[in-house]
Formats: sequence, C-alpha cells, structure tokens
Amino acid sequence: NAGVMQNPRHLVRRRGQEARLRCSPMKGHSHVYWYRQLPEEGLKFMVYLQKENIIDESGMPKERFSAEFPKEGPSILRIQQVVRGDSAAYFCASSPGSVDTQYFGPGTRLTVL
Amino acid sequence: GIQVEQSPPDLILQEGANSTLRCNFSDSVNNLQWFHQNPWGQLINLFYIPSGTKQNGRLSATTVATERYSLLYISSSQTTDSGVYFCAVEPGTYKYIFGTGTRLKVLA
Repeated sequence: NAGVMQNPRHLVRRRGQEARLRCSPMKGHSHVYWYRQLPEEGLKFMVYLQKENIIDESGMPKERFSAEFPKEGPSILRIQQVVRGDSAAYFCASSPGSVDTQYFGPGTRLTVL
Repeated sequence: GIQVEQSPPDLILQEGANSTLRCNFSDSVNNLQWFHQNPWGQLINLFYIPSGTKQNGRLSATTVATERYSLLYISSSQTTDSGVYFCAVEPGTYKYIFGTGTRLKVLA
C-alpha cells in the first residue's frame, strides 16, 4: 500500500505566479489535511477536506489560497499570486476517518523568488 | 487553545549515547504522535501513542495522558538519528497541533 504521495517535491515560483501542489492520499483514505511548515517552525494546520467537501479551512489564509479534493484525482492546494512569505514546506496527510491516525506525505517545498 | 511544549529545544549527543525527549501538553488529547523530520525535510511517523508505552528497535515512547506528557527515548544513538523530533497532539478536533520540536545532532 503506497503511502501519501505529494508532487512536486520542490517547486520554485517567482512572485506573482501561481503554485499548485498535489496530494494523493493513501488508498482507502477519504480524509485529507494540509499543513504548512514555515522555516524553523512546527507544522500548522491549514485545511481539512473530504471528497468534494471542505470541512474546515480555518487555518488557511483568506486570500490567494484555495484547496479542493475532487471526486476523482488528487487534492490540490492552490496559491495564487505567490509572495516571498509563502515560501515553506507544505505537507499533506490522509486518514480513513476524521479521528484516525494521520499519515503524512513527504511534503512540497515551495520557494518564491 | 491547547499548548504543546517540547524540551530540550536542542540536543547534541555523541554517537552511542542515550537521550530522552519530552512533550508536555496543556489539555486532554485523543491522539498523540511522534515524528522525526530528517535533514532532507521528510517527516517520518515514529509512534502513534495516545497512552501507554511502545517500542520499536532503539526507540521507545511513553505517554501518561492523565499527567499530560509524553517521552521519547532514543538509545544507542546513531548519526542517522539527527534531525528534528516533533510531538503532535490531536485534542479531538482532527487538527494536529505540533510542538516546536527538539533539534538533535548526533556526532560520530
């Protein structure tokens, strides 16, 4: 059973461009979570999604950030008009249910030039 | 909200030494996990341990939920143990709250 997969692993964008981060949960997992890790900090919750639904986006910035988890395909975290402060590692986790252990992917490291 | 504190913040060990990392949390939790983030940034799940004791090779962990702390023991440390160790708790809201981590460096 493959683990949580994220791609790309590294992403470089210039200020003002868009960044798209993809997350494929573990097989059989329908709950997806995105976390952000700023340099020298721990991970912080951004958003929780189930298939086709955003359950909780309380940790996500109100502007420029959006997330989706369509019926088919991976979950996408989209950052529009990136700024240098968006440079961070973005981790996705998945679980079979909302109170189960979350399994984390390898992360996507976003660098904004 | 719940606070998660880890100690020590930094630790340097000679290869072969033992160490204990601590995680204190300020409220009751449903889940607790320990992670190792290696120097390449990859997050590795070590233990899912909301209570009790578990062992996996040279690593073991104990969580005393009633006293709101967890300990991670590393025995006979190796250079590959270097990295940052995070404790993360889930207080019943599915949002994991991460501590600030313990940065471990093991010297050859």
